[in-house]
Amino acid sequence: SYTLTQPPSVSVAPGQTARITCGVNDIGSQTVNWYQQKPGQAPVLLLYDDIHRPSGIPERFSGSTSANRATLTIGGVGAGDEADYYCHMWDGSSDHPVFGGGTKLTVL
Amino acid sequence: QITLKESGPTLVKPTQTLTLTCTFSGFSLSTTGVGVGWIRQPPGKALEWLGMIYWDADKRYSPSLKSRLTITKDTSKNQVVFTMTDMDPVDTATYYCAHTDMGSVTGAFDYWGQGILVTVSS
Repeated sequence: SYTLTQPPSVSVAPGQTARITCGVNDIGSQTVNWYQQKPGQAPVLLLYDDIHRPSGIPERFSGSTSANRATLTIGGVGAGDEADYYCHMWDGSSDHPVFGGGTKLTVL
Repeated sequence: QITLKESGPTLVKPTQTLTLTCTFSGFSLSTTGVGVGWIRQPPGKALEWLGMIYWDADKRYSPSLKSRLTITKDTSKNQVVFTMTDMDPVDTATYYCAHTDMGSVTGAFDYWGQGILVTVSS
C-alpha cells in the first residue's frame, strides 16, 4: 500500500514561493489532492486531481507531479498561509485513500 | 450550499462503542458518485482516513480498523452513522465527516464538517 511522505516542516520568507512535497513509491495513474488546515479548523481542499483548484482557491496555489513525487507550490506566501498542508491520494492497490503525514508551513 | 456536521458524545470510556452521526445538507447521498467519508485526527497529529460510504451503499474501511468500524446511511434523513467499537485512549481524536463526489472531485474531500473531539478516558 502507499505511504505518502511529507517533510514535517517548510519555512519561507514572506512574498517568496513555498514548495511542499509528497513522496510516494509510484504514483502511477493515481491523482493527488492537497488540503490546508489552520489551527482549530477543518481541512480545506486546495487542489484535486493534481492541479485543479476548487472554486475560491487562488491561482497562487498550484500542483505538479512526477513519477514518485507530488508538489504543492504556493506563490507569494503571506502570514495567512501559515498552516498544515496534507497530501492525499487513492491507493489503487488496496482500494482506500491515504493521507500524508502533513507539513507545517512557517512564514518567517 | 453543502454543509456537514458531526454529532455524538465527546467523552467515552475505554471498551465502549462510539457512535457518531453526520448530518448533512445541500446534497443527496442517493446521487450517483456521491460519498461521505470519515477522517480522524489525534491532537497534534496527522489526518487518518477511517472509512466511507457511497451513494450505492458500497463501503470502504481502513484495513487496520476494519473489524471495529461500521458506517451506515439514512438517505431520507440525510445522515451517515459511524460506529467504532472497543474504544481505547489512543482513539482520542477529532472526528470529521466529509463529502466527496467521484464525478467532480474524483475522490477528494471537498466539504468537511467542523469536527467533533472525542476523548476516551475512564
